[in-house]
Amino acid sequence: KNQVEQSPQSLIILEGKNCTLQCNYTVSPFSNLRWYKQDTGRGPVSLTIMTFSENTKSNGRYTATLDADTKQSSLHITASQLSDSASYICVVTPYGGSQGNLIFGKGTKLSVKP
Amino acid sequence: SQTIHQWPATLVQPVGSPLSLECTVEGTSNPNLYWYRQAAGRGLQLLFYSVGIGQISSEVPQNLSASRPQDRQFILSSKKLLLSDSGFYLCAWKSGISAIYEQYFGPGTRLTVT
Repeated sequence: KNQVEQSPQSLIILEGKNCTLQCNYTVSPFSNLRWYKQDTGRGPVSLTIMTFSENTKSNGRYTATLDADTKQSSLHITASQLSDSASYICVVTPYGGSQGNLIFGKGTKLSVKP
Repeated sequence: SQTIHQWPATLVQPVGSPLSLECTVEGTSNPNLYWYRQAAGRGLQLLFYSVGIGQISSEVPQNLSASRPQDRQFILSSKKLLLSDSGFYLCAWKSGISAIYEQYFGPGTRLTVT
């Protein structure tokens, strides 16, 4: 069964600190892996997208890594800011899947405290 | 630039009442459109997607229905709401059928069924 598991469920860090969020998936084969940021009460916004052949992708202070062999991805946030407080969702697209066949993780809720 | 609108932003409805949520996209033509539901503590669940006017695919059997009366309009409906229909409803669009295309989400509608 195609699944995407994220850890931790929630995380609290101090402003200015770094953190790493994890995503493990069982989707195989897969086309691409995305990380979204979702502010409370808002729609998700894309941070990065990586195909199966890519190992890393950066977007400002956000860096995503992908290990297709171990089926793991991580999202590293550098020098966190209060505005980074949000849920971060890992999404995997199966290869050759149907139109809407994205597999969503439940997300990691990050709280950045001053 | 492309913009996606959803309304209403919040809605409180009694059990058994009808529902109509609307989503419109600006700045693009012939988008692929999606309806998702996000329940508390759970990942996004795809409800419906549409690749063109009048073309609706359902992913999950339920008491909801969707329609696409115009190219850039997507409507989610129910004749009789259930308590389990409460959640955060997100509309999304994508410009192409390839898995690599970015999917953009709307601001969402918070539905509470009482």
